[in-house]
Amino acid sequence: RKEVEQDPGPFNVPEGATVAFNCTYSNSASQSFFWYRQDCRKEPKLLMSVYSSGNEDGRFTAQLNRASQYISLLIRDSKLSDSATYLCVASNAGGTSYGKLTFGQGTILTVHP
Amino acid sequence: NAGVMQNPRHLVRRRGQEARLRCSPMKGHSHVYWYRQLPEEGLKFMVYLQKENIIDESGMPKERFSAEFPKEGPSILRIQQVVRGDSAAYFCASSPRISEETQYFGPGTRLLVL
Repeated sequence: RKEVEQDPGPFNVPEGATVAFNCTYSNSASQSFFWYRQDCRKEPKLLMSVYSSGNEDGRFTAQLNRASQYISLLIRDSKLSDSATYLCVASNAGGTSYGKLTFGQGTILTVHP
Repeated sequence: NAGVMQNPRHLVRRRGQEARLRCSPMKGHSHVYWYRQLPEEGLKFMVYLQKENIIDESGMPKERFSAEFPKEGPSILRIQQVVRGDSAAYFCASSPRISEETQYFGPGTRLLVL
Protein backbone atom coordinates (compact mmCIF):
# COMPACT_ATOMS: atom_id res chain seq x y z
CA ARG A 1 0.00 0.00 0.00
CA LYS A 2 1.29 3.46 -0.89
CA GLU A 3 1.94 5.83 2.00
CA VAL A 4 -0.07 8.61 0.35
CA GLU A 5 -2.92 7.74 -2.00
CA GLN A 6 -4.97 10.11 -4.11
CA ASP A 7 -8.05 9.99 -6.30
CA PRO A 8 -6.88 8.48 -9.59
CA GLY A 9 -8.53 11.17 -11.74
CA PRO A 10 -8.19 12.69 -14.24
CA PHE A 11 -10.75 15.36 -13.60
CA ASN A 12 -12.17 17.32 -16.53
CA VAL A 13 -14.40 20.19 -15.44
CA PRO A 14 -15.84 23.33 -17.05
CA GLU A 15 -14.80 26.79 -15.96
CA GLY A 16 -16.65 27.88 -12.85
CA ALA A 17 -17.12 24.36 -11.52
CA THR A 18 -16.29 23.22 -8.01
CA VAL A 19 -13.98 20.25 -7.79
CA ALA A 20 -12.82 18.21 -4.79
CA PHE A 21 -9.73 16.04 -4.42
CA ASN A 22 -9.32 13.42 -1.73
CA CYS A 23 -6.23 11.87 -0.27
CA THR A 24 -5.47 9.31 2.44
CA TYR A 25 -2.24 8.58 4.24
CA SER A 26 -1.16 5.43 6.01
CA ASN A 27 1.61 6.63 8.32
CA SER A 28 -0.11 7.76 11.51
CA ALA A 29 3.16 9.40 12.58
CA SER A 30 2.93 11.94 9.77
CA GLN A 31 2.86 15.40 11.25
CA SER A 32 2.43 17.93 8.47
CA PHE A 33 0.44 17.91 5.26
CA PHE A 34 0.44 19.98 2.12
CA TRP A 35 -1.04 20.35 -1.32
CA TYR A 36 1.43 21.06 -4.09
CA ARG A 37 0.68 21.96 -7.66
CA GLN A 38 2.80 20.75 -10.56
CA ASP A 39 2.44 22.09 -14.08
CA CYS A 40 3.51 19.94 -17.01
CA ARG A 41 7.29 19.40 -16.99
CA LYS A 42 7.76 21.92 -14.17
CA GLU A 43 8.75 21.68 -10.54
CA PRO A 44 6.15 21.23 -7.79
CA LYS A 45 5.08 24.43 -6.07
CA LEU A 46 3.50 24.69 -2.64
CA LEU A 47 -0.19 25.52 -2.95
CA MET A 48 -1.11 25.43 0.72
CA SER A 49 -0.52 23.72 4.01
CA VAL A 50 -3.32 21.68 5.55
CA TYR A 51 -4.39 22.06 9.16
CA SER A 52 -6.85 20.13 11.31
CA SER A 53 -8.94 23.26 11.77
CA GLY A 54 -9.25 23.62 8.01
CA ASN A 55 -7.83 26.52 6.09
CA GLU A 56 -8.85 28.61 3.14
CA ASP A 57 -6.88 30.62 0.62
CA GLY A 58 -9.14 32.41 -1.83
CA ARG A 59 -10.91 29.78 -3.92
CA PHE A 60 -9.00 26.92 -2.28
CA THR A 61 -10.02 25.15 0.92
CA ALA A 62 -8.04 22.34 2.55
CA GLN A 63 -9.17 20.00 5.30
CA LEU A 64 -7.38 17.41 7.43
CA ASN A 65 -9.02 14.64 9.44
CA ARG A 66 -6.34 12.96 11.55
CA ALA A 67 -8.73 10.34 12.95
CA SER A 68 -9.51 8.96 9.50
CA GLN A 69 -6.13 9.99 8.03
CA TYR A 70 -7.85 11.85 5.26
CA ILE A 71 -6.98 15.10 3.47
CA SER A 72 -9.05 17.07 1.00
CA LEU A 73 -8.74 20.04 -1.34
CA LEU A 74 -11.72 21.97 -2.65
CA ILE A 75 -11.40 24.36 -5.57
CA ARG A 76 -14.29 26.70 -6.18
CA ASP A 77 -15.02 28.68 -9.35
CA SER A 78 -12.40 26.81 -11.37
CA LYS A 79 -10.26 28.82 -13.77
CA LEU A 80 -8.48 27.62 -16.90
CA SER A 81 -5.22 28.39 -15.10
CA ASP A 82 -6.07 25.82 -12.41
CA SER A 83 -5.30 23.05 -14.91
CA ALA A 84 -2.37 21.15 -13.41
CA THR A 85 -1.48 18.05 -11.41
CA TYR A 86 -2.30 18.34 -7.72
CA LEU A 87 -0.03 16.50 -5.33
CA CYS A 88 -1.02 15.47 -1.82
CA VAL A 89 2.04 15.50 0.45
CA ALA A 90 2.76 14.22 3.95
CA SER A 91 5.80 14.93 6.04
CA ASN A 92 7.37 12.12 8.07
CA ALA A 93 8.64 14.11 11.01
CA GLY A 94 10.75 12.71 13.80
CA GLY A 95 14.11 11.06 14.17
CA THR A 96 16.21 11.31 11.06
CA SER A 97 13.18 11.73 8.80
CA TYR A 98 12.74 15.41 9.40
CA GLY A 99 12.29 17.27 6.14
CA LYS A 100 11.34 14.22 4.09
CA LEU A 101 8.22 14.79 1.99
CA THR A 102 6.12 11.84 0.83
CA PHE A 103 4.13 12.59 -2.31
CA GLY A 104 0.99 11.01 -3.65
CA GLN A 105 0.97 10.09 -7.30
CA GLY A 106 -0.97 13.19 -8.21
CA THR A 107 -4.36 13.95 -9.69
CA ILE A 108 -4.61 15.64 -13.06
CA LEU A 109 -7.12 18.47 -13.35
CA THR A 110 -8.14 19.94 -16.69
CA VAL A 111 -10.45 22.95 -16.70
CA HIS A 112 -12.05 23.57 -20.09
CA PRO A 113 -13.92 26.62 -21.44
CA ASN B 1 17.00 36.56 -4.42
CA ALA B 2 17.59 33.77 -6.91
CA GLY B 3 15.64 30.59 -6.38
CA VAL B 4 17.00 27.06 -6.27
CA MET B 5 19.16 26.48 -9.31
CA GLN B 6 19.80 23.17 -10.97
CA ASN B 7 22.03 22.32 -13.88
CA PRO B 8 22.04 20.99 -16.38
CA ARG B 9 18.32 21.23 -17.11
CA HIS B 10 18.57 18.36 -19.57
CA LEU B 11 21.19 15.63 -19.64
CA VAL B 12 21.57 12.79 -22.12
CA ARG B 13 23.82 9.87 -21.31
CA ARG B 14 24.50 6.49 -22.83
CA ARG B 15 24.26 3.36 -20.72
CA GLY B 16 27.35 2.93 -18.58
CA GLN B 17 28.29 6.61 -18.45
CA GLU B 18 28.23 8.83 -15.37
CA ALA B 19 25.70 11.56 -14.68
CA ARG B 20 26.44 14.49 -12.37
CA LEU B 21 23.53 16.70 -11.36
CA ARG B 22 24.13 19.98 -9.56
CA CYS B 23 21.94 21.93 -7.18
CA SER B 24 22.60 25.38 -5.77
CA PRO B 25 20.20 26.08 -2.90
CA MET B 26 18.63 29.44 -2.25
CA LYS B 27 20.90 31.92 -0.55
CA GLY B 28 21.03 31.27 3.17
CA HIS B 29 19.65 27.74 2.87
CA SER B 30 21.77 24.97 4.36
CA HIS B 31 19.39 22.03 3.90
CA VAL B 32 19.12 20.24 0.57
CA TYR B 33 16.79 17.43 -0.50
CA TRP B 34 16.85 15.39 -3.68
CA TYR B 35 13.72 13.79 -5.17
CA ARG B 36 13.25 11.65 -8.25
CA GLN B 37 10.17 11.55 -10.47
CA LEU B 38 9.98 8.57 -12.79
CA PRO B 39 7.72 8.89 -15.86
CA GLU B 40 4.04 8.80 -14.91
CA GLU B 41 4.87 8.50 -11.21
CA GLY B 42 4.96 10.76 -8.17
CA LEU B 43 8.06 12.28 -6.65
CA LYS B 44 10.09 10.00 -4.39
CA PHE B 45 12.47 11.21 -1.70
CA MET B 46 16.08 10.20 -2.22
CA VAL B 47 18.40 11.98 0.20
CA TYR B 48 18.57 14.86 2.69
CA LEU B 49 21.83 16.70 3.26
CA GLN B 50 23.12 19.53 5.34
CA LYS B 51 26.45 21.17 4.66
CA GLU B 52 29.09 18.40 4.62
CA ASN B 53 26.68 15.86 6.12
CA ILE B 54 24.27 13.27 4.79
CA ILE B 55 21.37 13.22 7.24
CA ASP B 56 18.94 10.76 5.63
CA GLU B 57 19.70 8.67 2.54
CA SER B 58 16.92 6.15 3.03
CA GLY B 59 15.56 6.77 -0.47
CA MET B 60 18.82 6.34 -2.34
CA PRO B 61 19.42 3.15 -4.32
CA LYS B 62 22.17 1.15 -2.62
CA GLU B 63 24.45 1.08 -5.63
CA ARG B 64 25.67 3.58 -8.21
CA PHE B 65 24.05 6.62 -6.54
CA SER B 66 25.84 9.07 -4.25
CA ALA B 67 25.26 12.60 -3.04
CA GLU B 68 27.31 15.29 -1.41
CA PHE B 69 26.90 18.86 -0.23
CA PRO B 70 30.37 20.31 0.33
CA LYS B 71 31.20 23.31 2.46
CA GLU B 72 31.70 25.35 -0.68
CA GLY B 73 29.82 24.86 -3.92
CA PRO B 74 26.63 23.15 -5.00
CA SER B 75 25.18 19.84 -3.92
CA ILE B 76 25.99 17.04 -6.36
CA LEU B 77 23.94 13.95 -7.12
CA ARG B 78 26.14 11.45 -8.91
CA ILE B 79 24.91 8.41 -10.79
CA GLN B 80 27.55 5.97 -11.97
CA GLN B 81 27.11 3.49 -14.82
CA VAL B 82 23.67 4.80 -15.72
CA VAL B 83 20.97 2.42 -16.96
CA ARG B 84 17.78 3.19 -18.89
CA GLY B 85 15.74 2.92 -15.68
CA ASP B 86 17.58 5.97 -14.31
CA SER B 87 15.78 8.16 -16.89
CA ALA B 88 13.70 10.54 -14.81
CA ALA B 89 13.34 14.10 -13.59
CA TYR B 90 15.55 14.82 -10.59
CA PHE B 91 14.40 17.69 -8.39
CA CYS B 92 16.36 19.42 -5.71
CA ALA B 93 14.73 21.40 -2.91
CA SER B 94 16.23 23.58 -0.22
CA SER B 95 15.14 25.05 3.08
CA PRO B 96 16.74 27.36 5.62
CA ARG B 97 16.00 24.99 8.50
CA ILE B 98 14.39 21.68 9.30
CA SER B 99 10.91 22.67 8.25
CA GLU B 100 8.86 20.89 5.64
CA GLU B 101 6.75 23.92 4.92
CA THR B 102 9.59 25.90 3.47
CA GLN B 103 11.08 23.49 0.97
CA TYR B 104 11.60 25.36 -2.30
CA PHE B 105 12.04 23.27 -5.42
CA GLY B 106 14.41 23.85 -8.30
CA PRO B 107 13.36 23.43 -11.95
CA GLY B 108 14.74 19.91 -12.10
CA THR B 109 17.20 18.04 -14.30
CA ARG B 110 15.70 15.70 -16.86
CA LEU B 111 18.01 12.76 -17.39
CA LEU B 112 17.61 10.60 -20.47
CA VAL B 113 19.64 7.43 -20.74
CA LEU B 114 19.94 6.04 -24.25
